[in-house]
Amino acid sequence: AQSVTQPDIHITVSEGASLELRCNYSYGATPYLFWYVQSPGQGLQLLLKYFSGDTLVQGIKGFEAEFKRSQSSFNLRKPSVHWSDAAEYFCAVGARMNRDDKIIFGKGTRLHILP
Amino acid sequence: DVKVTQSSRYLVKRTGEKVFLECVQDMDHENMFWYRQDPGLGLRLIYFSYDVKMKEKGDIPEGYSVSREKKERFSLILESASTNQTSMYLCASSLPATSGRNEQFFGPGTRLTVL
Repeated sequence: AQSVTQPDIHITVSEGASLELRCNYSYGATPYLFWYVQSPGQGLQLLLKYFSGDTLVQGIKGFEAEFKRSQSSFNLRKPSVHWSDAAEYFCAVGARMNRDDKIIFGKGTRLHILP
Repeated sequence: DVKVTQSSRYLVKRTGEKVFLECVQDMDHENMFWYRQDPGLGLRLIYFSYDVKMKEKGDIPEGYSVSREKKERFSLILESASTNQTSMYLCASSLPATSGRNEQFFGPGTRLTVL
């Protein structure tokens, strides 16, 4: 069965510092991978996705993520965070098989930004 | 841009009431989903629909039903609301996994309070 682990429930970084949010998945083959962001009281917005090809994926808002098959990881990075990046971030994994259209979400990492 | 709308941002109901949450998407997506989101528990799938009049139970279907009479509309029904159904409800839509583009697009959420 698929599963997603986000080991950090909360992360605090200073504005302007670099960021890395960890995500590990369990899946028998190469999955589809996603990162979403949720601002307070809002729905989820897609930051980036990996389906195939280049394992370094660029997303919106200056985020990127790298798929590492050997480590079953898809960590999210940003070189310099802004106060507006404070939000909750969800990693998700989906299957490539027919009729398995569901996505499994991690429990999220809440990002706090220090001024 | 894909747009997913939900009928209400905030809803207050009384125990025992029948509650309808409506979701509409405008991108002709085959799949539609209902999740509930609670602190510390992440997103939990309630029901999933992959076609008109087709539905599958998710992880926590008890106490809920759904209806999909038209492709663009997916309704979540609480037959007799209870206080433990107080939560944030999120609707999403997507293409099938076989399209290679099955990222989910989310609505803004409905914050339901059952008194």
